[in-house]
Amino acid sequence: AQKITQTQPGMFVQEKEAVTLDCTYDTSDQSYGLFWYKQPSSGEMIFLIYQGSYDEQNATEGRYSLNFQKARKSANLVISASQLGDSAMYFCAMMRFSGGYNKLIFGAGTRLAVHP
Amino acid sequence: GAGVSQSPSNKVTEKGKDVELRCDPISGHTALYWYRQSLGQGLEFLIYFQGNSAPDKSGLPSDRFSAERTGGSVSTLTIQRTQQEDSAVYLCASSGGQPHTEAFFGQGTRLTVV
Repeated sequence: AQKITQTQPGMFVQEKEAVTLDCTYDTSDQSYGLFWYKQPSSGEMIFLIYQGSYDEQNATEGRYSLNFQKARKSANLVISASQLGDSAMYFCAMMRFSGGYNKLIFGAGTRLAVHP
Repeated sequence: GAGVSQSPSNKVTEKGKDVELRCDPISGHTALYWYRQSLGQGLEFLIYFQGNSAPDKSGLPSDRFSAERTGGSVSTLTIQRTQQEDSAVYLCASSGGQPHTEAFFGQGTRLTVV
């Protein structure tokens, strides 16, 4: 069975500093993808970054990077140079890619507050 | 359309009434997902469609909840005999289902049962 765990209900960071949001996952599949989404107070779900299970390099997208440690089954999101607009809920998610079965599940989320 | 569209955006219903929530996915997306999100909480998986079939409906909370998808496109989530605990935002997402493709979300339907 798939499972995503985000152990930090809330995080604080000072503006312009870096922050790491933790995510661990559990799956017996070999082929899967890991995603991070941002949900601001407006409620929309914004895709941030993707890491495939066979990708050897850590994914990066602008100020976002994904610290992928496959053996430890962790996929932490690193946000560099935090901005006030980064304050939001952040969700880690996993999608299976096995046999055409593509269930997508989410962790409980981490609420990030960026302070000036 | 350009994105995932959900309707209605808001729905207020009386306890005991049935409601239908609609999701129009991105054209060509084979995978479609329904989630429920209570205020300040995470996304609770409800059901997943691959084409018109639902290989995983394990998240449906009770037999009052059902969903269907027709033509590999539009999906409807039906809640019968609504209860106050059904109040939440219901989110729909669609995906091409291929590696390196993310799921795209609709704006959600906010359901309030009074």
